[in-house]
Amino acid sequence: GAGVSQSPSNKVTEKGKDVELRCDPISGHTALYWYRQSLGQGLEFLIYFQGNSAPDKSGLPSDRFSAERTGGSVSTLTIQRTQQEDSAVYLCASSLVAAGNTIYFGEGSWLTVV
Amino acid sequence: ELKVEQNPLFLSMQEGKNYTIYCNYSTTSDRLYWYRQDPGKSLESLFVLLSNGAVKQEGRLMASLDTKARLSTLHITAAVHDLSATYFCAVAPRGYGGSQGNLIFGKGTKLSVKP
Repeated sequence: GAGVSQSPSNKVTEKGKDVELRCDPISGHTALYWYRQSLGQGLEFLIYFQGNSAPDKSGLPSDRFSAERTGGSVSTLTIQRTQQEDSAVYLCASSLVAAGNTIYFGEGSWLTVV
Repeated sequence: ELKVEQNPLFLSMQEGKNYTIYCNYSTTSDRLYWYRQDPGKSLESLFVLLSNGAVKQEGRLMASLDTKARLSTLHITAAVHDLSATYFCAVAPRGYGGSQGNLIFGKGTKLSVKP
């Protein structure tokens, strides 16, 4: 497809389980971003990739959160031992490398931890 | 720490009226983004403003940037119901370790346009 693709679109998991969220950026976009959106916290930056490297991991809220990107394309955000406060929409975005380019967001993965 | 403040947070307008949403930010930046979000949907890019004095227009929406005042505005002209959505501004702090990714978002302005 032409846009940023995320899966799953919805995920309900039990507290303590691990979850993986996947993002497939727009073809040719070398920059990839993960954000989290929740009612209480608004939109929060999590991590940024340039190619396969992550020069900015400053937004990851704890060591339960990790992300990787392989082949300069698909990225996976992993949350280990999920907690209820992890419930949120996880948004992936991508852009061309140059600063100032439009950043395109995917539809998000809605995570509910019960 | 960069802070981004939008106001108002809630805006109820009548069709045909004009209004402005304000976005103030607390540190130096030369990149400001405006997004629209419909309920249950993702963020749709509206404008990217890259320099002082930049003005961009699309339909009934016009965005401007004053980097000296650290202020961006989103002006709505002759509002129509289809513009009802939440509008976010986001700022990229200059020189943040070279990162391009750490956009700081405002809390959003929920716009409701009534007939």
